[in-house]
Amino acid sequence: EIVLTQSPGTPSLSPGERATLSCRASQSVRSGFLAWYQQKPGQAPRLLIYDASSRATGIPDRFSGSGSGTDFTLTISRLEPEDFAVYYCHQYATSPWTFGQGTKVEIK
Amino acid sequence: EVQLVQSGAELKKPGESLRISCEASGYSFTTYWIGWVRQMPGKGLEWMGNILPRDSDTRYSPSLLGQVTISVDKSISTAYLQWRSLKASDTAMYYCARVRSYSDSNGYPQPYYFDYWGQGTLVTVSS
Repeated sequence: EIVLTQSPGTPSLSPGERATLSCRASQSVRSGFLAWYQQKPGQAPRLLIYDASSRATGIPDRFSGSGSGTDFTLTISRLEPEDFAVYYCHQYATSPWTFGQGTKVEIK
Repeated sequence: EVQLVQSGAELKKPGESLRISCEASGYSFTTYWIGWVRQMPGKGLEWMGNILPRDSDTRYSPSLLGQVTISVDKSISTAYLQWRSLKASDTAMYYCARVRSYSDSNGYPQPYYFDYWGQGTLVTVSS
């Protein structure tokens, strides 16, 4: 099973700042089959990024993904008030599919 | 518009059975996998399994194999998640999600990533 470890735990940032979220895999994620999801309280997750760096339909370009192998990053270039949420990385390369534990981006 | 509408919240007792549903619309139901994801209270996301409605090919997480059953009814574009005997530890929010696919070397659609999600069904198991 591929274990995904996300960091930092709970960054406190201000609107307008840049957020850099990390996801490290315990083994290489084949073909970069890694996604990022955003979840707000009381809501279902929403797809942001798939295949490590492809933005999903309707996702603002302030969200970007990068990485390969075992190290992946989600960057939010300028935080908007609606971006404060929990973010999960997810690998769909190898069964069982796994998620990271989540990173909660808090308002400073 | 792609929509996945899940059945309502359930309150059950340990040992009872349960089936929750996920009705899909706005796309060809049989050509996309459907997945189920569990979120225990205050915790993260956990993949449970995927099913391809066209032939009911089902893939389960090893940790949940035998604990739940995933099925579909193609005639009504609905997927199901079923328990025979609930435990308190099954208390969680359950999400269904559409799964994109890619064709393997044999032309068979393999599950790819979750793109659209249902609103979730809260299952509470308590005596």
